[in-house]
Amino acid sequence: DAGITQSPRHKVTETGTPVTLRCHQTENHRYMYWYRQDPGHGLRLIHYSYGVKDTDKGEVSDGYSVSRSKTEDFLLTLESATSSQTSVYFCATAGQGAYEQFFGPGTRLTVL
Amino acid sequence: GESVGLHLPTLSVQEGDNSIINCAYSNSASDYFIWYKQESGKGPQFIIDIRSNMDKRQGQRVTVLLNKTVKHLSLQIAATQPGDSAVYFCAENMYSGGGADGLTFGKGTHLIIQP
Repeated sequence: DAGITQSPRHKVTETGTPVTLRCHQTENHRYMYWYRQDPGHGLRLIHYSYGVKDTDKGEVSDGYSVSRSKTEDFLLTLESATSSQTSVYFCATAGQGAYEQFFGPGTRLTVL
Repeated sequence: GESVGLHLPTLSVQEGDNSIINCAYSNSASDYFIWYKQESGKGPQFIIDIRSNMDKRQGQRVTVLLNKTVKHLSLQIAATQPGDSAVYFCAENMYSGGGADGLTFGKGTHLIIQP
């Protein structure tokens, strides 16, 4: 988890409200990723970024958007949260070689 | 990417014994494989990796074996300790020319250490 922080660490919200999760890194890594982890599904890729303002969709991107205005920050937004988005969200980063990914501590999101 | 799966959801071993966690992958184009350890309430932690041009790689108390013929990956932990209790994930990373895609994870194996 060194060098990667996520905020908030826990959040409870209501269906239909917007939610933004933040990932901050101090490693100056080029690549950043958002995953969600659910029982029975393991970790699944939501979106990723390969540079400032450069992002792409992952396996489960519907209902999520991302933004990266500077190297150290990667934001994940749920425009209108649904109960199916209750999950634990992990941010990860990777350096230029982009093989090994380092994970943050996670954010537990509950949508009521 | 295609799915990466695990054979057993739970593995129970005696402290001091060796543990072997298996993983099957389906995409023969995958060129890089990783094992992660996840303790309760924490993010996945890198253990060891292996590229597709290798069939074995050793770390401290861990060994990863890759059999491309049958698309099988295994993680061996020597002299298992209580601190090894965790969920272990295998993952594959297909490195594309335009940058690095994310990882495709298996569903995980829960390793339980019996005293």
